[in-house]
Amino acid sequence: AQSVSQHNHHVILSEAASLELGCNYSYGGTVNLFWYVQYPGQHLQLLLKYFSGDPLVKGIKGFEAEFIKSKFSFNLRKPSVQWSDTAEYFCAVNGFNAGNMLTFGGGTRLMVKP
Amino acid sequence: EADIYQTPRYLVIGTGKKITLECSQTMGHDKMYWYQQDPGMELHLIHYSYGVNSTEKGDLSSESTVSRIRTEHFPLTLESARPSHTSQYLCASSTKMNTEAFFGQGTRLTVV
Repeated sequence: AQSVSQHNHHVILSEAASLELGCNYSYGGTVNLFWYVQYPGQHLQLLLKYFSGDPLVKGIKGFEAEFIKSKFSFNLRKPSVQWSDTAEYFCAVNGFNAGNMLTFGGGTRLMVKP
Repeated sequence: EADIYQTPRYLVIGTGKKITLECSQTMGHDKMYWYQQDPGMELHLIHYSYGVNSTEKGDLSSESTVSRIRTEHFPLTLESARPSHTSQYLCASSTKMNTEAFFGQGTRLTVV
């Protein structure tokens, strides 16, 4: 079985601060990894994804994430957050086997103070 | 435009009523999912489907049922709604090869 753990449930930052949200997963095989964002009142949207290749992936709105296979981690980063980044962020993993289903972490609620 | 649609967006219903939450996608995706999400909480997979005539229960036990008679349609039914069913229900779809999942706007259900 696969599982995803997000360590920070709530994060409060001031504008221009740097952001790093932790995500660890457990799965023995090859994985596809995702970060989704849910802005207040909106549906889940994909921020970025990793399937293979360069472990540093860049997504929309200046976000990036690094896949570290040895640590089973896929942390999300942004050098300088904006007030508009206030949202809930979900890490998700999908085992490469077609029988696997997308599993989400518990989410991190980010509040950026103007 | 390819998309995934959920109706209704909001529903308030009395205890004991039967309800069906609709989900349709126009992307031709094989896999479809239903997640339950309480406000500010994590997403729990309650049902999924690999394709037509395939339905499976997810990690979270649910009293709801689903059907997949057509590729594009994955409705969720509660035979007898209870206040404990009050939550947000999110539908999603993805390709067979586990590329990204696309989510609908969600249905916020309140059972009174």
